[in-house]
Amino acid sequence: AQSVTQLDSHVSVSEGTPVLLRCNYSSSYSPSLFWYVQHPNKGLQLLLKYTSAATLVKGINGFEAEFKKSETSFHLTKPSAHMSDAAEYFCVVSSDNYGQNFVFGPGTRLSVLP
Amino acid sequence: NAGVTQTPKFQVLKTGQSMTLQCAQDMNHEYMSWYRQDPGMGLRLIHYSVGAGITDQGEVPNGYNVSRSTTEDFPLRLLSAAPSQTSVYFCASKEEPLSNQPQHFGDGTRLSIL
Repeated sequence: AQSVTQLDSHVSVSEGTPVLLRCNYSSSYSPSLFWYVQHPNKGLQLLLKYTSAATLVKGINGFEAEFKKSETSFHLTKPSAHMSDAAEYFCVVSSDNYGQNFVFGPGTRLSVLP
Repeated sequence: NAGVTQTPKFQVLKTGQSMTLQCAQDMNHEYMSWYRQDPGMGLRLIHYSVGAGITDQGEVPNGYNVSRSTTEDFPLRLLSAAPSQTSVYFCASKEEPLSNQPQHFGDGTRLSIL
């Protein structure tokens, strides 16, 4: 069975400093991995996806993530945080053969301090 | 540019009442799904559909019914609401069922059961 662990429930950074949101997964198959962002009272927006192409994936708004199979990790990074990045971030694995099973991590709330 | 549309955005029910949460997409997506979001638990799959006339259960189906009479619509029914169903409900869709494409999410329905 697949599962997703997001190691921090809350991360706080200052504006202009780097962001690191950690995600580890377990999967019986070659996984596809996604990061979604959820702003308050909004739906989920796709930031980026990994589907077995390049291991370093670039997404929207300056975010990127690196797939490391040996560490079963897919950490999300951004060089310089913006106030508008404050939101909830979800790491998601889709790893059954039919793409039916999206397993969500519990989420990491990112706060950005002025 | 509508994407996935959910109605209503907010609803308060009394225990034992029934209601239907509406979900419509205008992207001609075959796959649609319903999730519930509870604090600290990420999103959990309730039901999904791989096309008109075909539905299946997800991780937490009890207390919910779905049907898919058209490609565009995927309503979620609560037959007899319980306080444990207080949650935020998200509908999502993707173009092809048998793929690891990312899903597109609606803005959610916030449901409180008293």
